[in-house]
Amino acid sequence: GAGVSQTPSNKVTEKGKYVELRCDPISGHTALYWYRQSLGQGPEFLIYFQGTGAADDSGLPNDRFFAVRPEGSVSTLKIQRTERGDSAVYLCASSLDRVAPEAFFGQGTRLTVV
Amino acid sequence: GEDVEQSLFLSVREGDSSVINCTYTDSSSTYLYWYKQEPGAGLQLLTYIFSNMDMKQDQRLTVLLNKKDKHLSLRIADTQTGDSAIYFCAESPYNQGGKLIFGQGTELSVKP
Repeated sequence: GAGVSQTPSNKVTEKGKYVELRCDPISGHTALYWYRQSLGQGPEFLIYFQGTGAADDSGLPNDRFFAVRPEGSVSTLKIQRTERGDSAVYLCASSLDRVAPEAFFGQGTRLTVV
Repeated sequence: GEDVEQSLFLSVREGDSSVINCTYTDSSSTYLYWYKQEPGAGLQLLTYIFSNMDMKQDQRLTVLLNKKDKHLSLRIADTQTGDSAIYFCAESPYNQGGKLIFGQGTELSVKP
């Protein structure tokens, strides 16, 4: 596709439920990043993939958060036992590779936990 | 650790220049960035500068980098109402695979 695509654009879920957020990077981009943006804040790094492997997951807040990229393209961010504090916009970005300076962001998924 | 600081608000009149400032802590950062975010939208890459440069100009945008003071600025010439948005400064720490550390964002309001 032309840009980074994230689905769904909005997700409302009940506390304690499991959610999956999907990211389709720009075709040919091998590096993929997930960020979380809380209201009034800048994005915070969660995890990045180079190809299929998670090269740095140091930003994941706890073990309820997990992400995969099994074929080196689409990635899914998975959140178990959601809490109200998980409510935020989850942003995905991709770049040509881990050293390319330009990273392009998707529109984000707004997650609301009620 | 890495940290990026920005002032929260800036208000200018249409046609004036805007200057948005940012300070960062990681002197080893490879690249420094400016992103723009309009309400309800994702982040748009505006421009970036390699850490061994001190200035970059791109149409109405001028980026100045003072590496000694770890200070980055974005100047927008002839600011238009369409420039109203939140502007984020970000650094890319050395050898961390393109991970970005963002500031809190500066909300630019352009009054006609």
